[in-house]
Amino acid sequence: AQTVTQSQPEMSVQEAETVTLSCTYDTSESNYYLFWYKQPPSRQMILVIRQEAYKQQNATENRFSVNFQKAAKSFSLKISDSQLGDTAMYFCAFMSPNTGNQFYFGTGTSLTVIP
Amino acid sequence: EADIYQTPRYLVIGTGKKITLECSQTMGHDKMYWYQQDPGMELHLIHYSYGVNSTEKGDLSSESTVSRIRTEHFPLTLESARPSHTSQYLCASSRGGEQYFGPGTRLTVT
Repeated sequence: AQTVTQSQPEMSVQEAETVTLSCTYDTSESNYYLFWYKQPPSRQMILVIRQEAYKQQNATENRFSVNFQKAAKSFSLKISDSQLGDTAMYFCAFMSPNTGNQFYFGTGTSLTVIP
Repeated sequence: EADIYQTPRYLVIGTGKKITLECSQTMGHDKMYWYQQDPGMELHLIHYSYGVNSTEKGDLSSESTVSRIRTEHFPLTLESARPSHTSQYLCASSRGGEQYFGPGTRLTVT
C-alpha cells in the first residue's frame, strides 16, 4: 500500500521569505509521480508542481521547487519569495500507473503568509 | 484552468431528501474521481471510474452512488441525505497524469 505523510499541519512564513513544506511517502513501486497541490481558502484545488520518479532533476516552476530524494522517499516543496497569495492548504500526492492511477494524498499543510 | 465543472456549488437540504451532485469535464479524460473533504482537512476518495460503465468504491465508505454513462459526466447521488453527509465534495479527472479538480460542492444537510 502507498502512504503519504505530511508532518507539518500548520506553518507560517513572512512575506518575501522562503519556506519548505515536508512530505514523505512509502511505496514499493518504481514507476510513479509525485505532486504538490494548492487549495486556497474556499477556492479550487490546483496543481503546483509535479515530479516523475525516473527524473533525477528536481522540478521547478517559477518560485516553487522541489527537493526529491528518491532513496529517502522524501519530496519537499520550497516556496521562495513568499507572497500573500500563497496562503493555502498544500497537499502532497502520489500516483502510480501500476496501482491503477489512484492518487494518495497527505493530510495537508496549512500555510499562512504573514504580511 | 482545467475544464471541470461541478454543480451546485452550494446546497442546503433537509434530511431524507435525494440529491445528485453533478460533475462534468470537457477534456476527454477517461478517469474521474469523487473525494469528500471536511473544511481544511484531508481528502478521502469515495468513488472513482476508469471509463464509461466503470465505477469503483474508494477507501472511505460512503452511502452515495455514482454512474458513468458518458465519458464527460460523473454524477454522485445520495438517496437519503443525512446530517453526517455534510461536507465538501470534490470531483477530479485525469488522463493518467495529474488530476484536475472541480470547484467543489459544499453540502449542508439540516
